[in-house]
Amino acid sequence: SQTIHQWPATLVQPVGSPLSLECTVEGTSNPNLYWYRQAAGRGLQLLFYSVGIGQISSEVPQNLSASRPQDRQFILSSKKLLLSDSSFYLCAWSLAGQGGDEQFFGPGTRLTVL
Amino acid sequence: GQQVMQIPQYQHVQEGEDFTTYCNSSTTLSNIQWYKQRPGGHPVFLIQLVKSGEVKKQKRLTFQFGEAKKNSSLHITATQTTDVGTYFCAPEKDSWGKLQFGAGTQVVVTP
Repeated sequence: SQTIHQWPATLVQPVGSPLSLECTVEGTSNPNLYWYRQAAGRGLQLLFYSVGIGQISSEVPQNLSASRPQDRQFILSSKKLLLSDSSFYLCAWSLAGQGGDEQFFGPGTRLTVL
Repeated sequence: GQQVMQIPQYQHVQEGEDFTTYCNSSTTLSNIQWYKQRPGGHPVFLIQLVKSGEVKKQKRLTFQFGEAKKNSSLHITATQTTDVGTYFCAPEKDSWGKLQFGAGTQVVVTP
């Protein structure tokens, strides 16, 4: 069966520090991968989308970046965190190919920037 | 661009009562998914609707897609405390499967 892992579960970082959040998927090949951000009590904002290794689409311009160094690994990074980056970050995957498939979400990372 | 509005944003329900949450779009949708997020948890897929006028049921949950494919609804009968959470509609944003999540309806159930 497929599983999706995210770590860390919670993170407290000072303003200006770098960030690296990792997401890995098991039990499937060539998944579509997604990074979302969710502010408290709000909906999900799609940040990045990937259909394959090294293929990243950015949905919202910001100081975050994403990389996909391996088929089932998706990394969210920042060189310098802002206070406004505090949020709940969720990774998700869906089956490869064009649309219409459900997305499976990881447990998320709660990031607080102080 | 495509925008979706979910109403109400907040719903306080007495256990045993019914309630409905609505998702409205300014444009015609190809399909729409619904997700549930428990407090402190992550979104979990509930259902996908594709056809005009489609109605799907999952136990006490009834999902409907409008005839014009511009709106959708989720109706829960005999609400239970396990129904607590935020329900999101998520129309497909493009042919590559990206979703446009609504702001969600937060449901609180009192015994």
